[in-house]
Amino acid sequence: DIVMTQSPDFLSVSLGERASIKCKSSQSLLYSSNNKNYLAWYQQKPGQPPKLLLYWASTRESGVPDRFSGSGSGTDFTLTISSLQAEDVAVYYCQQYYSPLLYTFGQGTKLEIK
Amino acid sequence: QVQLQQWGAGLLKPSETLSLTCAVSGGSFGGSYWSWIRQPPGKGLEWIGEINHAGSTNYNPSLKSRLTISVDTSRNQFSLTLSSVTAADTAVYYCARAQPFDAFDIWGQGTLVAVSS
Repeated sequence: DIVMTQSPDFLSVSLGERASIKCKSSQSLLYSSNNKNYLAWYQQKPGQPPKLLLYWASTRESGVPDRFSGSGSGTDFTLTISSLQAEDVAVYYCQQYYSPLLYTFGQGTKLEIK
Repeated sequence: QVQLQQWGAGLLKPSETLSLTCAVSGGSFGGSYWSWIRQPPGKGLEWIGEINHAGSTNYNPSLKSRLTISVDTSRNQFSLTLSSVTAADTAVYYCARAQPFDAFDIWGQGTLVAVSS
């Protein structure tokens, strides 16, 4: 199984400040034949299903504000919110889809306003 | 655009069988993989399994012995059956879509299933 580990578990950031969440996978998510990282980021607000923010580690889903960005390759990835807005309070998950026999998620990072 | 609407029994007793169905509307049923994902109260996400329009399945090995995912292409629906449930199966269950080798881009609204004697 590919284990996904996020850090930190909880993050408190002031409005307008930068928020960064890390995700580490137990094996590389980079597929050499197409040079793509099979890593997605989701945002989940209370009482709602997760919402896809980024795929291929850094490609924004349609409609996602450009303050959300993704970086990293191989086993280490980062989700960055450049200027935190009140509506960004949520739990964020990373997920690998490199192994279609068992997709796995990180444990989640709860982001709140300081 | 594609929407997922799910339904099923919300309260079960231990040893009973969980059954949920997800209907796909507003787009093509073929060409995608249709998954079930669950989330215990206050916890993270666990992928359960997936099926495509041809009925090809992949299951989470930890649930495989109790799990069946089936498809009804005539109704654009897919279903989850999980047998011999226990309190550990209490969770919100989501259906979701992924293109081949891609992320989950569309999700159902979720169904809370509680297992209690």
